[in-house]
Amino acid sequence: DAGITQSPRYKITETGRQVTLMCHQTWSHSYMFWYRQDLGHGLRLIYYSAAADITDKGEVPDGYVVSRSKTENFPLTLESATRSQTSVYFCASSVGDRPFHGYTFGSGTRLTVV
Amino acid sequence: AQSVTQLDSQVPVFEEAPVELRCNYSSSVSVYLFWYVQYPNQGLQLLLKYLSGSTLVESINGFEAEFNKSQTSFHLRKPSVHISDTAEYFCAVRVNTGFQKLVFGTGTRLLVSP
Repeated sequence: DAGITQSPRYKITETGRQVTLMCHQTWSHSYMFWYRQDLGHGLRLIYYSAAADITDKGEVPDGYVVSRSKTENFPLTLESATRSQTSVYFCASSVGDRPFHGYTFGSGTRLTVV
Repeated sequence: AQSVTQLDSQVPVFEEAPVELRCNYSSSVSVYLFWYVQYPNQGLQLLLKYLSGSTLVESINGFEAEFNKSQTSFHLRKPSVHISDTAEYFCAVRVNTGFQKLVFGTGTRLLVSP
């Protein structure tokens, strides 16, 4: 199906483990984003990418790594998970950088670090 | 840098009553404003946006928002809410200079009861 798909939907991992959250979009959108959603903070930008092999830090990048070898995929890796990274993670994409280019969001990944 | 303030974390209202969700922004340059809605266990969906022109913008499901530059506000209103409007609502802003990411407020949970 066309759209933006995140996997897994739910993940429980242990402190110190590496975990990768996947994001795949079928529109060939140039821009992709990772946000985390926490109570009282709303959505905060972790990383974004303007095109394949071009990534940049957002507001809260520490502890996260991204890559974008293909336009359609934008995985987010927690190198050594901590309890403070327990959150709901949303991937989004946008066809361009103009304001009228809206963001399309995935359904989210709920990550629990124990 | 721009910022968004949603002072109300939760707004309880009875079905068929009017509602207003408040949003104020801060920016030294002109902005574009958005309201997103998040239904339970789903990603964010664009509800409406202000880019230019008429300061009153409407959504297809009866919501409207008015851009007020002098008060730096973009409040969301609906004259008569339904149970199905129960959701989290996020106000977001982008500035009109180059490529700028969406910056979100902390969200307002609208709880509609019978």
